[in-house]
Amino acid sequence: GENVEQHPSTLSVQEGDSAVIKCTYSDSASNYFPWYKQELGKRPQLIIDIRSNVGEKKDQRIAVTLNKTAKHFSLHITETQPEDSAVYFCAASTPRGGGNKLTFGTGTQLKVEL
Amino acid sequence: SQTIHQWPATLVQPVGSPLSLECTVEGTSNPNLYWYRQAAGRGLQLLFYSVGIGQISSEVPQNLSASRPQDRQFILSSKKLLLSDSGFYLCAWSGGDLLYEQYFGPGTRLTVT
Repeated sequence: GENVEQHPSTLSVQEGDSAVIKCTYSDSASNYFPWYKQELGKRPQLIIDIRSNVGEKKDQRIAVTLNKTAKHFSLHITETQPEDSAVYFCAASTPRGGGNKLTFGTGTQLKVEL
Repeated sequence: SQTIHQWPATLVQPVGSPLSLECTVEGTSNPNLYWYRQAAGRGLQLLFYSVGIGQISSEVPQNLSASRPQDRQFILSSKKLLLSDSGFYLCAWSGGDLLYEQYFGPGTRLTVT
């Protein structure tokens, strides 16, 4: 089955700096890669995603890049703000039985310091 | 717009007691539905998914079961809870024009004592 590895597990940056979180996946059939943000005690919120036919996608301060050859994708947050502090999860989606199965990474605790 | 509900929001149950968690989706038809569990400080583990009424796929063998009695209703059950069943249970849906994206419900925090 699919295996997703995520690094780093914790990341501390100064407000205004950039943050980068990296993930690798194992199943070449995976074709969709979402990123979720989870604040303490809340549900994961989808913040950006990318499909396997696209190399890069950007939404304001957030961008995601995908390297299919290396089976590697990354989340980039620019001009970080204190409200960006949360746990971020990457995931890889594998088509299966009419649905799509998401396999999640283990999460990155991002702390943006003033 | 689509909305996903879960209840109860929190639950404290003794070991050996039964469990029933409910998830409903509004604003869409024939959604794909998913149950995830998140242990404290950990990632999300897919437990079950369903692509239609009565169609359940299990990802992890354990003492939990799932059912889908109606198109937009997904239920997670157990006959006898274990301490290790404690966690944050999240229901998610995808479908229609949002075939790939999965959106999570507010979750149920279960503590087994």
